[in-house]
Amino acid sequence: TQLLEQSPQFLSIQEGENLTVYCNSSSVFSSLQWYRQEPGEGPVLLVTVVTGGEVKKLKRLTFQFGDARKDSSLHITAAQPGDTGLYLCAGSRSYNTDKLIFGTGTRLQVFP
Amino acid sequence: DTEVTQTPKHLVMGMTNKKSLKCEQHMGHRAMYWYKQKAKKPPELMFVYSYEKLSINESVPSRFSPECPNSSLLNLHLHALQPEDSALYLCASSQTGLGYYGYTFGSGTRLTVV
Repeated sequence: TQLLEQSPQFLSIQEGENLTVYCNSSSVFSSLQWYRQEPGEGPVLLVTVVTGGEVKKLKRLTFQFGDARKDSSLHITAAQPGDTGLYLCAGSRSYNTDKLIFGTGTRLQVFP
Repeated sequence: DTEVTQTPKHLVMGMTNKKSLKCEQHMGHRAMYWYKQKAKKPPELMFVYSYEKLSINESVPSRFSPECPNSSLLNLHLHALQPEDSALYLCASSQTGLGYYGYTFGSGTRLTVV
């Protein structure tokens, strides 16, 4: 059973468009992280959110953690070709666990 | 140093070969991980080491054998692999108990079993 479902699975857009990626679960998470992975490379941590309702901004990226800590979203404003990659959410069920649960992934392609 | 270094970057091996993947970090992280990632899929956890002791084994076949010689190094020994084991193998590290804050991943080893 996949605990973290991401949508959409694939997204193909033109440069300059806005987009939102969703990460949903029926379970509560202590923290939620977002990673971006480029082909042939490891995932790179973008952000960690830990408080329900928390919003974090990283340049053109806005991350939100749901009030009930069961879901998260990533919004990209004015997408650029450099944003192309696989976006993964990952959750930690408790503070003292070493194990992360990864989401199903969203593959984003931004065309010039 | 805020990196996880994996070697080799690419590896091709036959089904009767024995090879090892290596991972190194100098961030003082005491938890280290091996993940397997198939094309267009999210990473799947294989093993977790915490303070150099194996703490999680996700029912991985015995042809994969992890080793943590010290707090900076993590190896994955491979023997008698199958073609379906071809994948990107990722190493990661975190402060123990603080996977909560995120992992630092290496660039991976692209393994092809022929």
